[in-house]
Amino acid sequence: DIVMTQSPDSLAVSLGERATINCKSSQSVLYYSNNKNYLAWYQQKPGQPPKLLIYWASTRESGIPDRFSGSGSGTDFTLTISSLQAEDVAVYYCQQYYSTPPTFGQGTKLEIK
Amino acid sequence: QVQLVHSEAEVKKPGASVRVSCKSSGYTFTAYYIHWVRQAPGQGLDWLGWINPHNGDTHYAQKFQGRVTMTRDTSISTAYMELNSLTSDDTAVYFCARDRTTIVPGVFSLDALDIWGQGTLVSVSS
Repeated sequence: DIVMTQSPDSLAVSLGERATINCKSSQSVLYYSNNKNYLAWYQQKPGQPPKLLIYWASTRESGIPDRFSGSGSGTDFTLTISSLQAEDVAVYYCQQYYSTPPTFGQGTKLEIK
Repeated sequence: QVQLVHSEAEVKKPGASVRVSCKSSGYTFTAYYIHWVRQAPGQGLDWLGWINPHNGDTHYAQKFQGRVTMTRDTSISTAYMELNSLTSDDTAVYFCARDRTTIVPGVFSLDALDIWGQGTLVSVSS
């Protein structure tokens, strides 16, 4: 199974500042035939299911604010929130869907400083 | 709108079985894989498997092989997940989620999970 490791486990950022969450996979999730990274990011608020933010490592899901962006390739990925808003407080997960079983990172808890 | 609606919370004794349902609406049920993911209290996300609603094909995570069964009823656009031999470690919220990409016959490819149900809490306690 591909192991997904996120860093940090928790993060406190001031309102309006940038938040950066990292995700590393134990093997590449880049499929060379289509040049796509099979990596997604989700946001989960308390008592709610996860919500898809980013897929193919950098494509924003419809309706997701443009302050959320994804980058990276191969084994190293980053989710960036360019200007933190109060409603962004949540746990964020990366997930690979390159191979079965799909696997998730352990989550990063984002709070307001 | 596109949504997945779960059955109500369940309380089970150790050794029992539980069946969770997930009813879809707002899209063609047979066109997208349905995945099942669970989340123990305060923990992360754990993938159980997927079902192809078009033909009923399934794939289960190795750790749940022999204990989980995923089925569907296309007449009511509903997917089911049954888990047997429950222990306290199975206490969790069980989510169904839709795969983002439409199923292409003969081509297998997974995608991100774009629609999630609200989840069903399964509590296992003696």
